[in-house]
Amino acid sequence: EDQVTQSPEALRLQEGESSSLNCSYTVSGLRGLFWYRQDPGKGPEFLFTLYSAGEEKEKERLKATLTKKESFLHITAPKPEDSATYLCAVQARSGNQFYFGTGTSLTVIP
Amino acid sequence: EAGVAQSPRYKIIEKRQSVAFWCNPISGHATLYWYQQILGQGPKLLIQFQNNGVVDDSQLPKDRFSAERLKGVDSTLKIQPAKLEDSAVYLCASSRTSGRKWELFFGEGSRLTVL
Repeated sequence: EDQVTQSPEALRLQEGESSSLNCSYTVSGLRGLFWYRQDPGKGPEFLFTLYSAGEEKEKERLKATLTKKESFLHITAPKPEDSATYLCAVQARSGNQFYFGTGTSLTVIP
Repeated sequence: EAGVAQSPRYKIIEKRQSVAFWCNPISGHATLYWYQQILGQGPKLLIQFQNNGVVDDSQLPKDRFSAERLKGVDSTLKIQPAKLEDSAVYLCASSRTSGRKWELFFGEGSRLTVL
């Protein structure tokens, strides 16, 4: 069964304090791994897609990496506006469904 | 490019009443998804359409939920009769493929409260 587990559930950081969010997955043939940001009362906003182990993507203070079993979302020198829930999802080659984890709620304190 | 449109944004109903949500995907996106997101949880797939055909509805509670996508564009998700545990945000998403690339785009969601 395809599964996505995210950790930690919640993370509080001081402004400027770098950290990483984890997404571990089991899927029968990975088509892609996706990171989303979700603000309260909003739909998830697409951040990155990673397709193969060793791939990395960057956007401003965020960097996503992928191995065969997990992905990390690294946040460098975060700012309060980075506070949000970060969701990870996987898509298997065998179907077109996207399976989501429960998310990591990030709070960045000024 | 216009995003995924959903309505209504908010709905409050009594249990056993019915409700319908509407979604208009991004133009040209053949695949449309309905997700249920309960507070504090990740989105859970309810149903997936490819054009106007159902690809996956294995997690749709078919005794009370129904969905259709007429003409392969707009979609409607209906709940009848609603239960307290149906209180959630209902997210519509659409996707396209470009070569090997799949990208999933979400609407703002419809928040349902069942009293």
